Amino acid sequence: QKEVEQDPGPLSVPEGAIVSLNCTYSNSAFQYFMWYRQYSRKGPELLMYTYSSGNKEDGRFTAQVDKSSKYISLFIRDSQPSDSATYLCAMSENSSASKIIFGSGTRLSIRP
Amino acid sequence: DGGITQSPKYLFRKEGQNVTLSCEQNLNHDAMYWYRQDPGQGLRLIYYSQIVNDFQKGDIAEGYSVSREKKESFPLTVTSAQKNPTAFYLCASSTGRTDTQYFGPGTRLTVL
Repeated sequence: QKEVEQDPGPLSVPEGAIVSLNCTYSNSAFQYFMWYRQYSRKGPELLMYTYSSGNKEDGRFTAQVDKSSKYISLFIRDSQPSDSATYLCAMSENSSASKIIFGSGTRLSIRP
Repeated sequence: DGGITQSPKYLFRKEGQNVTLSCEQNLNHDAMYWYRQDPGQGLRLIYYSQIVNDFQKGDIAEGYSVSREKKESFPLTVTSAQKNPTAFYLCASSTGRTDTQYFGPGTRLTVL
């Protein structure tokens, strides 16, 4: 069993829809949770960073962490074609930046 | 502009040859990382360095070597001992005090 599981998709939704991307994990010691966006043939860029449980909002993006269920989500409101990318969840146990575990990524396509 | 650069963008290598991938950052970050990305497998850590003149093996270090002689530079050598080197290679850096890693644009290596 992988430490972090992420549905690979592809996920295709119409423009303007609300998108929900999810990851589950097995290591209860994870405390720091991140979402990265990766466009085709580019490096990942950090989208959201959260610590422990709760919600964090940034514009059209909301990150949600439920440590009791070992489940994290990224919601995208009013989705745009420019949101079409692969979304990677990532998590770690501490803040020393020594080891981050990445999900395999979900490919998202927003249809105009 | 601050950031991470990787070169070349595309690299072709014949079997049995060593090849070196360049990674440079001007973010004044202490920590640097090398990942390998294969389709459907997410990012796997090859090597990381938290300080100059020191580095540690990641999960898949066999067949790779690195050096960290300068804070700004963390080159990766893919040796002929790496059995399946064709992949997308990503370099990242962080302050070392948080888990936020910033990625370069990547190098796509193809073995002919």
